[in-house]
Amino acid sequence: DAKTTQPTSMDCAEGRAANLPCNHSTISGNEYVYWYRQIHSQGPQYIIHGLKNNETNEMASLIITEDRKSSTLILPHATLRDTAVYYCIVRFPSNDYKLSFGAGTTVTVRA
Amino acid sequence: DTGVSQDPRHKITKRGQNVTFRCDPISEHNRLYWYRQTLGQGPEFLTYFQNEAQLEKSRLLSDRFSAERPKGSFSTLEIQRTEQGDSAMYLCASSLPLGADTQYFGPGTRLTVL
Repeated sequence: DAKTTQPTSMDCAEGRAANLPCNHSTISGNEYVYWYRQIHSQGPQYIIHGLKNNETNEMASLIITEDRKSSTLILPHATLRDTAVYYCIVRFPSNDYKLSFGAGTTVTVRA
Repeated sequence: DTGVSQDPRHKITKRGQNVTFRCDPISEHNRLYWYRQTLGQGPEFLTYFQNEAQLEKSRLLSDRFSAERPKGSFSTLEIQRTEQGDSAMYLCASSLPLGADTQYFGPGTRLTVL
């Protein structure tokens, strides 16, 4: 069962930052927040994960609120190739082997 | 490329036929997962291996489905007596159980049952 809530869809202008919100109000202290994306007809692509601290890698930044009840994925300079479904998932890896995907957010980057 | 690979990428079969898919995980990843994704839905967990042991199976995995990972490396997923409802994308992922145990996915096998 998905433990997250994400907007169904959002648009973003090419070259601008895309901020994708995710609510996970029932997250427990040991659960990580993972972000994946899926471009049409491809397998899900891992983006980033975090536990308590904000994280940044070459693809994106993950901002987790202090109470850990929500997070935001930031794509700093969206391109047309970032058009995809983005999934926010919470999971305690020591207890739960599977990833539970919800409906995700369909992000459309427009030129 | 050292990512997860899957073969075939596409499979079209007639109802009642058996099909087998293969997944090669990232080298040294001892955990391997199978998921299924139908049109418009997110991936759903099917089963999971740690090394050669199948440790968890979803109730989605009916008796017609069987998965193996005989030497703890590649895995196969077989569907017997395929039905039209089996049409889906079958995804494989692998992970190394350290820290966040991040799963990395392959490109998937698209199955169409006519």
